[in-house]
Amino acid sequence: DTGVSQNPRHKITKRGQNVTFRCDPISEHNRLYWYRQTLGQGPEFLTYFQNEAQLEKSRLLSDRFSAERPKGSFSTLEIQRTEQGDSAMYLCASSLYQGVSTDTQYFGPGTRLTVL
Amino acid sequence: DAKTTQPPSMDCAEGRAANLPCNHSTISGNEYVYWYRQIHSQGPQYIIHGLKNNETNEMASLIITEDRKSSTLILPHATLRDTAVYYCIVRAPGGFKTIFGAGTRLFVKA
Repeated sequence: DTGVSQNPRHKITKRGQNVTFRCDPISEHNRLYWYRQTLGQGPEFLTYFQNEAQLEKSRLLSDRFSAERPKGSFSTLEIQRTEQGDSAMYLCASSLYQGVSTDTQYFGPGTRLTVL
Repeated sequence: DAKTTQPPSMDCAEGRAANLPCNHSTISGNEYVYWYRQIHSQGPQYIIHGLKNNETNEMASLIITEDRKSSTLILPHATLRDTAVYYCIVRAPGGFKTIFGAGTRLFVKA
């Protein structure tokens, strides 16, 4: 069990560029979550997948954001036409949901995005 | 999911027990109490969770009051590496969203 991994760890981009982040969950975990964290704040929920289905999206996830989990394993989060307000840490988490009890979310190290 | 209230910051001497309180007076009967911590610039780290009974693992102990309206996370022998923001969260089984508050910033001092 290598934990949740995220790539890249850091990304600096210019305003208006597109960026894509990748998350590899813990093996066998069927749920995958994306959160965003700005300086001094706790993480905020963006969206989650159960297997390959995206089941919930926060209002924080504007039209410029899209997330995929095509085969129910890794996930990508793309931000189009980045804005300075998108600068934040993007966190991925995964869990094994079996429907009978609670499931613990395990977080990755995050991708820190800086939009210049 | 219920809201939680935590003190904004606490100090603890190295080697002493750190007791971090959390109020969750509106918790529902099926909601679990979770604790995470976040060391600067890292992702949140899961510590422990519980429903009704007290829980202990290699990292910490969780004490939940009988009415479940509050809980305490205990780090038995705090070290400098335990300096972090600690988040108390309540979440229903199957709930997809973990709602983080402001947490408690714990400073462990030598």
